[in-house]
Amino acid sequence: AQSVTQLDSQVPVFEEAPVELRCNYSSSVSVYLFWYVQYPNQGLQLLLKYLSGSTLVKGINGFEAEFNKSQTSFHLRKPSVHISDTAEYFCAVSDRSTGGFKTIFGAGTRLFVKA
Amino acid sequence: DAGITQSPRHKVTETGTPVTLRCHQTENHRYMYWYRQDPGHGLRLIHYSYGVKDTDKGEVSDGYSVSRSKTEDFLLTLESATSSQTSVYFCAISIDSTDTQYFGPGTRLTVL
Repeated sequence: AQSVTQLDSQVPVFEEAPVELRCNYSSSVSVYLFWYVQYPNQGLQLLLKYLSGSTLVKGINGFEAEFNKSQTSFHLRKPSVHISDTAEYFCAVSDRSTGGFKTIFGAGTRLFVKA
Repeated sequence: DAGITQSPRHKVTETGTPVTLRCHQTENHRYMYWYRQDPGHGLRLIHYSYGVKDTDKGEVSDGYSVSRSKTEDFLLTLESATSSQTSVYFCAISIDSTDTQYFGPGTRLTVL
């Protein structure tokens, strides 16, 4: 069965510093990959997604992620974070080989941006 | 905005009572999901639906049932609530074949 591992449960970082949130998934023939963000007391919203094509995907709020098939990773990066980026970030994988729509979510990474 | 609402937004109930949470969408999407969110576990799928009266179990379905009598409504029922079902519950819809999902605002349920 597909699984998603977010390697860091919490990431503290100072404002304007770069950040990388790591995500690995178990191997599969074909997957769609997602990052969702959850701001305090809100539902999740889509940050970016990889479907096919270029391995570097750009999303909202200056975030980007790179799909690495050989390492089965989909790490999220931002070159300079803001206080407003403080949130929980979830990596997710939709595995087309299952024949159904079952997206698996990682446990989440809490990003704390400090002034 | 995918037009997803959840009701109630907050609920406190006692062990052993039945509880029904409602998810409503305005755009007639076929796929709908119920998740629970707990610290350290991310989102875990409870049940999902792929059409009116078509539902299936997810990863953590024990103690939950669902119904979908109309495209726009997906109900989650806890037949006899337990303290272990204290959680935040999210409804989501899938808008296309990539399973990109859009989420409702969540329901915070506390079972005493």
